[in-house]
Amino acid sequence: GENVEQHPSTLSVQEGDSAVIKCTYSDSASNYFPWYKQELGKGPQLIIDIRSNVGEKKDQRIAVTLNKTAKHFSLHITETQPEDSAVYFCAASWAGNQFYFGTGTSLTVIP
Amino acid sequence: GAVVSQHPSRVICKSGTSVKIECRSLDFQATTMFWYRQFPKQSLMLMATSNEGSKATYEQGVEKDKFLINHASLTLSTLTVTSAHPEDSSFYICSARTDDKNIQYFGAGTRLSVL
Repeated sequence: GENVEQHPSTLSVQEGDSAVIKCTYSDSASNYFPWYKQELGKGPQLIIDIRSNVGEKKDQRIAVTLNKTAKHFSLHITETQPEDSAVYFCAASWAGNQFYFGTGTSLTVIP
Repeated sequence: GAVVSQHPSRVICKSGTSVKIECRSLDFQATTMFWYRQFPKQSLMLMATSNEGSKATYEQGVEKDKFLINHASLTLSTLTVTSAHPEDSSFYICSARTDDKNIQYFGAGTRLSVL
């Protein structure tokens, strides 16, 4: 089955700086890669996703890049704000299959 | 994004009782819903995949007789924790997958505490 690894497990940045979280996957059949943000005591919230026919996608301060050859994808958050502090999960999936989640990254943005 | 409603958000029950958790997709139909369990500071652990009109598929190590899943309509799945024990205390989260784009939207989670 699919194996998704996520790094780093914790990340602290100064407000205004950028944050990058990286994930690798093992199954070349995976073609859908979402990122979720989970605040304490809440369910994960989809913040951005990318499909295998695209190499990069951006939504305001958030961007995701995908390298299919290397089987890795990354989340980039620019101009970080304290409200970006949360746990972020990456996932990999292909149509009709379950989602395989990374182990999560706890991001702390220091004011 | 689409909305998934999960109730209750928190439940406290006595050992030996049963608890039902509901998961509804409010603005889309979901043939498939998922139930996860999450331990503190850990990732999501898939418990079972719920398919409308058919039996749920449970992951290895998950007791199907203890965690009863019913997916009777395209917008509702329920998880019943039967004869709950303190070790069942956890954060349970459901998600619903859109039929057309394979996107999962999550509920807000249910914090179960068994005394």
